[in-house]
Amino acid sequence: ELKVEQNPLFLSMQEGKNYTIYCNYSTTSDRLYWYRQDPGKSLESLFVLLSNGAVKQEGRLMASLDTKARLSTLHITAAVHDLSATYFCAVDIQGGSEKLVFGKGTKLTVNP
Amino acid sequence: EPEVTQTPSHQVTQMGQEVILRCVPISNHLYFYWYRQILGQKVEFLVSFYNNEISEKSEIFDDQFSVERPDGSNFTLKIRSTKLEDSAMYFCASSEYGPWGEQFFGPGTRLTVL
Repeated sequence: ELKVEQNPLFLSMQEGKNYTIYCNYSTTSDRLYWYRQDPGKSLESLFVLLSNGAVKQEGRLMASLDTKARLSTLHITAAVHDLSATYFCAVDIQGGSEKLVFGKGTKLTVNP
Repeated sequence: EPEVTQTPSHQVTQMGQEVILRCVPISNHLYFYWYRQILGQKVEFLVSFYNNEISEKSEIFDDQFSVERPDGSNFTLKIRSTKLEDSAMYFCASSEYGPWGEQFFGPGTRLTVL
């Protein structure tokens, strides 16, 4: 059974600081996704990572994937308050399964 | 930009009642999904649907749940006899390429069972 572990689950940081959220998964996967969720809202797709060594950047967020280590990171650079949200990674199972398995999420609070 | 839509945004029901949650997937997508998120918890897969039949379902998706594509645009999730523990946010998603493509999520329906 595919397991997806995120850490930390809660992250409180100061504006301007850098930090990394980690996502480990237990079996081989085709794709890894990062989503942002604001309270009471839907899942906003941030990144889709398809291959080993993939790195994608959007603004202050950068995601990377190491398929050999089964690890993805979401790096936050010079955090701003607007980044406060819950961030989920999700993985799909290699071999044609369609379901996405989500991590528990990292609740990020950026303090002024 | 095309998007998945869901109605209602919030549904309140009494325990034991039937509810139908509605979704309109992106128009050229052929693969459809339901997920749920109990408050404060992670998102969990319920079911996938393709070519008018269920292609995969989780252990959560028991006999109380059913899905249907009643016409060319809607995709519904029915819960026959709701329980308190069915209270959650329910997300519909659709994909053009199924297992080989990205899923796009709707805004969700918050279901509250009293």
